[in-house]
Amino acid sequence: QSRLTQPPSVSGAPGQRVTISCTGTSSNIGAGYDVHWYQQLPGAAPKLLIYDNNNRPSGVPDRFSGSKSGTSASLAITGLQVEDEANYYCHSFDTSLRGSGIFGGGTKLTVL
Amino acid sequence: ELQLVQSGAELKKPGESLKISCKVSGYTLPHYWIAWVRQMPGKGLELMGIIYPGDSDTRYSPSFEGQVTISVDKSISTAYVQWSSLKASDSAIYYCGRMYGSAKGGIDYWGQGTLVSVSA
Repeated sequence: QSRLTQPPSVSGAPGQRVTISCTGTSSNIGAGYDVHWYQQLPGAAPKLLIYDNNNRPSGVPDRFSGSKSGTSASLAITGLQVEDEANYYCHSFDTSLRGSGIFGGGTKLTVL
Repeated sequence: ELQLVQSGAELKKPGESLKISCKVSGYTLPHYWIAWVRQMPGKGLELMGIIYPGDSDTRYSPSFEGQVTISVDKSISTAYVQWSSLKASDSAIYYCGRMYGSAKGGIDYWGQGTLVSVSA
């Protein structure tokens, strides 16, 4: 059972704004560890979307943004596009996992 | 160009052993942690463990401790994950990825994935 909890699904119409939450515990996000977000398109490997809570790698549109507060983090997507339809995962370090990290369960974004 | 290129798909029988690989290029392997990630059919990402090639410091997620062995051969810039006795439940896509910064960092480059199918 994942210690990072994400909603199984979210949806939005093209042009709208959606947010995906990632709720952690005192052993991961709440302990101050950074949160990273990945986008996985169907049939493809994951791609880093946001690193260290709110930073975008080169090439990622500024429609994608991240934030963190307390034991939770969020990914926001503005100006939703059809090609944003994908699975999204959060990831953080966890002190209870023997020096390793953990992924959230993933959220399926459907663009209506 | 920085790349992680994984070995090809495998079809194995229960009880068989397997070692899959992840060859990196375009950067110095010993300087970055490598992560192995499992994705079972239709399911989410699971972090199996991570290894620091510089000193082979290896950390396994509890669910994978004792189930797999992660290793690295710096001389050929390649990381591995191996199983001594496969089970049907090991059927999945396995990804390797480079972690930037530290063991707490994100995975900035990913391999293309290796499909492992285990069936009698």
